[in-house]
Amino acid sequence: DAMVIQNPRYQVTQFGKPVTLSCSQTLNHNVMYWYQQKSSQAPKLLFHYYDKDFNNEADTPDNFQSRRPNTSFCFLDIRSPGLGDAAMYLCATSLRPGGEQFFGPGTRLTVL
Amino acid sequence: DAKTTQPPSMDCAEGRAANLPCNHSTISGNEYVYWYRQIHSQGPQYIIHGLKNNETNEMASLIITEDRKSSTLILPHATLRDTAVYYCIVRVAFTGYSGAGSYQLTFGKGTKLSVIP
Repeated sequence: DAMVIQNPRYQVTQFGKPVTLSCSQTLNHNVMYWYQQKSSQAPKLLFHYYDKDFNNEADTPDNFQSRRPNTSFCFLDIRSPGLGDAAMYLCATSLRPGGEQFFGPGTRLTVL
Repeated sequence: DAKTTQPPSMDCAEGRAANLPCNHSTISGNEYVYWYRQIHSQGPQYIIHGLKNNETNEMASLIITEDRKSSTLILPHATLRDTAVYYCIVRVAFTGYSGAGSYQLTFGKGTKLSVIP
């Protein structure tokens, strides 16, 4: 089945230690998104790629970066995680901007 | 994008219809109403969307009032697996890409639906 896959499902890192979360998709969608969801809050968009075009939301901290080496894969890099970055990170895809978004299961990040 | 207002929580008996309301009184003519849900510890899942006509698919029905200021998501026969947070989102129709901020899903607080045996 076509899907959005996130690995790992659970990630533990230390304060200040860089961490990378990965997302892959078999839907061949043009747009890939990264959302941050803190406990008991709604998901918040960090950035998205439309093909190779990277689009950062205005209030996304510089600590968060992303890479999309090809259509199928997208990575979220947190350069120096702080305790406040502990959250669920959700990857989503859509065929085009404005289209229905398909979400992965998320990666829960713990910062010690 | 227009803001939405939803009740924070609702209960529904298993097997009964769940009717989830959403107010979007400032919706513009080119904005769609989308519904997503998020089951605990999973990613959000698309349910349905509409512009002004009522819509139905295998998961749910969407009823939009004639003035488009409110809508209701109907799950016709709720099951325990429908227990989730339901998000009502309004978003402009796609008319051309314009980079960051375009066509993003802005999630509100949603309605936590509990289906009770």
